Amino acid sequence: AQSVTQLGSHVSVSEGALVLLRCNYSSSVPPYLFWYVQYPNQGLQLLLKYTSAATLVKGINGFEAEFKKSETSFHLTKPSAHMSDAAEYFCAVGPGGYNKLIFGAGTRLAVHP
Amino acid sequence: KAGVTQTPRYLIKTRGQQVTLSCSPISGHRSVSWYQQTPGQGLQFLFEYFSETQRNKGNFPGRFSGRQFSNSRSEMNVSTLELGDSALYLCASSLAASGTANEKLFFGSGTQLSVL
Repeated sequence: AQSVTQLGSHVSVSEGALVLLRCNYSSSVPPYLFWYVQYPNQGLQLLLKYTSAATLVKGINGFEAEFKKSETSFHLTKPSAHMSDAAEYFCAVGPGGYNKLIFGAGTRLAVHP
Repeated sequence: KAGVTQTPRYLIKTRGQQVTLSCSPISGHRSVSWYQQTPGQGLQFLFEYFSETQRNKGNFPGRFSGRQFSNSRSEMNVSTLELGDSALYLCASSLAASGTANEKLFFGSGTQLSVL
């Protein structure tokens, strides 16, 4: 069965610092991998997706993620945090499509001045 | 283009009652998926509809059901509500059903259901 583990339920960074949110997956087949962001009182918004076309995936708002098969990881990074990046981030795996996703528990990112 | 619309935004019910939530997908989108979000269990897939047919189903009891209409609008119903059903219910739409590449999910803002 597929699963997703997000290391760290809360991450706090200073404005301008590197953001690193960790995600490891378990999948018996080549996965589709996603990062979503959820702002307070809103639904989820897709940041980026991996579909085997390239291991380094660039998304919106300056985020990117690198697929490492050997480490079964798909960590999300952003070189310089902005106050507006404060939100909850979810890593998800799709077993073969985009509609039935298995989500990680989420990481709440706090950005302080 | 309007986004995914979920109604109502908030709902308060008591144990034993039933509830119906509504989701209007983005115009042209034929797939609608439902997810339950709780602090304890996180985001869990409920079911997915495509062209009025349920294509995928998560591990939820039969009290949770759904349907999709010919205009792609979807409803989900929860009967005999339990306290544990309190959650944010999210609807997501996409152009195609699961298994099709190059499509992504667009989420609504959700319906916050509180069961007292």
